[in-house]
Amino acid sequence: EAEVAQSPRYKITEKSQAVAFWCDPISGHATLYWYRQILGQGPELLVQFQDESVVDDSQLPKDRFSAERLKGVDSTLKIQPAELGDSAMYLCASSHGRTVNTGELFFGEGSRLTVL
Amino acid sequence: KQEVTQIPAALSVPEGENLVLNCSFTDSAIYNLQWFRQDPGKGLTSLLLIQSSQREQTSGRLNASLDKSSGRSTLYIAASQPGDSATYLCAVLGAGNNRKLIWGLGTSLAVNP
Repeated sequence: EAEVAQSPRYKITEKSQAVAFWCDPISGHATLYWYRQILGQGPELLVQFQDESVVDDSQLPKDRFSAERLKGVDSTLKIQPAELGDSAMYLCASSHGRTVNTGELFFGEGSRLTVL
Repeated sequence: KQEVTQIPAALSVPEGENLVLNCSFTDSAIYNLQWFRQDPGKGLTSLLLIQSSQREQTSGRLNASLDKSSGRSTLYIAASQPGDSATYLCAVLGAGNNRKLIWGLGTSLAVNP
């Protein structure tokens, strides 16, 4: 069964260091999302891509976070420098996003970040 | 502004019991509503998706209903099992140009053997 792949599953880093997360959506899915989830809370959208274009990054802390999806397939989310408050689960999701689109989201296993 | 609320925040039931989780939303102009399951430290698994034109969806022991006019959805779990223990989240996708996914905070379910 097709799935969203994310890596790494776990990352421990010290504050002020750079961190990067990678996501490979389900093949053919045009829409890709990066979410951040703090323990006990619902997911918070950081950035949404339609193919290679950003359609919503209003909640992305752009002074330290960046995201790209250069060829409209896989995507990278980077944090530099990492801060203690960035400790969270970073979730990637994709949806079909084409003409026949139910709007159903499929999530990866997530990348758990701990900043010391 | 769409707001999504899930009640109760936590639920503990004995194995075998039928149970209902609730999700309410303030703006009925929705495209769809999706129920997810999340195990501790894991990503989200899609359980059921209900389009705005549908009233319910079923998958195995799960049944989700949607009443747009009252701004409510319920997730019914029949004959609960310890393996159903997880957090259940609902998310509402706005209609029209406001295609934002708004999340509830989830219901933490514990099914006791």
